[in-house]
Amino acid sequence: DGGITQSPKYLFRKEGQNVTLSCEQNLNHDAMYWYRQDPGQGLRLIYYSQIVNDFQKGDIAEGYSVSREKKESFPLTVTSAQKNPTAFYLCASTPPSTDTQYFGPGTRLTVL
Amino acid sequence: SQQGEEDPQALSIQEGENATMNCSYKTSINNLQWYRQNSGRGLVHLILIRSNEREKHSGRLRVTLDTSKKSSSLLITASRAADTASYFCATATKETSGSRLTFGEGTQLTVNP
Repeated sequence: DGGITQSPKYLFRKEGQNVTLSCEQNLNHDAMYWYRQDPGQGLRLIYYSQIVNDFQKGDIAEGYSVSREKKESFPLTVTSAQKNPTAFYLCASTPPSTDTQYFGPGTRLTVL
Repeated sequence: SQQGEEDPQALSIQEGENATMNCSYKTSINNLQWYRQNSGRGLVHLILIRSNEREKHSGRLRVTLDTSKKSSSLLITASRAADTASYFCATATKETSGSRLTFGEGTQLTVNP
């Protein structure tokens, strides 16, 4: 099956800990994105990458970090510097020459 | 504020009725897209309309775009209970086309059986 996978589906973190959310795609898409969604709200862009070994900050990058060492993978690390990390995190990717985004199922992060 | 803002925030209708959602934006766009999100799930792309198009259809969906008013509407005809979801508009701006979208806050649609 082709698609975007995110793991884990649910993640619990203690305050002060870093956690890494996984995003993998086998669609051969170049561009990948990370969004944060708070209850009842829209998506806010955290980071995006248009090509391997390159990425750009989105609108709310503070307290987050990413890497793009492989085309298929775009992990997101939520660091202890992120003051309010409890949210639903969505990963997406885009085929070449199009703006349409394909989304993974999301990871719900809760800080205990 | 967000580039795309949906109206209404919530809409409740009976099965079989039509549902109309509106989206306004602020800057020039390359295209505007509508996405659907079921509760606790990822978003699914529904339809894309380019800035030089005025209307587009896909099955029971009809999208209009008025670039002079910087607004779009999504019409779902003959709604079904399975259409219950949140609907988001997203704009691809001319400056960032092909690289990022800006999403609105969404309209929560409830279709009652």
